[in-house]
Amino acid sequence: DQQVKQNSPSLSVQEGRISILNCDYTNSMFDYFLWYKKYPAEGPTFLISISSIKDKNEDGRFTVFLNKSAKHLSLHIVPSQPGDSAVYFCAASGDNNNDMRFGAGTRLTVKP
Amino acid sequence: EPEVTQTPSHQVTQMGQEVILRCVPISNHLYFYWYRQILGQKVEFLVSFYNNEISEKSEIFDDQFSVERPDGSNFTLKIRSTKLEDSAMYFCASRADNSPLHFGNGTRLTVT
Repeated sequence: DQQVKQNSPSLSVQEGRISILNCDYTNSMFDYFLWYKKYPAEGPTFLISISSIKDKNEDGRFTVFLNKSAKHLSLHIVPSQPGDSAVYFCAASGDNNNDMRFGAGTRLTVKP
Repeated sequence: EPEVTQTPSHQVTQMGQEVILRCVPISNHLYFYWYRQILGQKVEFLVSFYNNEISEKSEIFDDQFSVERPDGSNFTLKIRSTKLEDSAMYFCASRADNSPLHFGNGTRLTVT
């Protein structure tokens, strides 16, 4: 099941700089997209979402961009902080939100 | 803040044995889910449950798996005859209408 893809397994960024995490999807029926953050030994934690009627959603240091024509979304974190170091999962679902699919995750390391 | 709780945190079982993984979703949530993550791999959707019945299930969720909401608070995943390849982290999640999934911290299942 490769409906949601995160092609970068890892990303390393210096503290204070921007982190950009990318995600691609193949199912054109997806219309709700989310980013989750996961620390070791914990479950994924919801971070930010965007519906298909928007192309940008911002929450503090976190901004998600959606490009529907390219079936691509990205998460920008600026400025990055060491506490942001975690695995970030992109997720997508259709309008019933009953079968959310996850990407493989990107491990972000923010170096002090 | 209310959270999804899962027990046990780690379950070790022998191949062929039955296991029951337990979850207490957030109390006012109506939609319930199980996901799993095999070590080093992506988070995979197993099943969603609403109004006392399965609403969606993946190809992973075969006849060896079942879910139940035996009372007003618990949501369980049963694996009838475990296989080595069932070893994974199992995450329970729940949500209210039009809201993101909230995940528990997972149960690590080890099948020996």
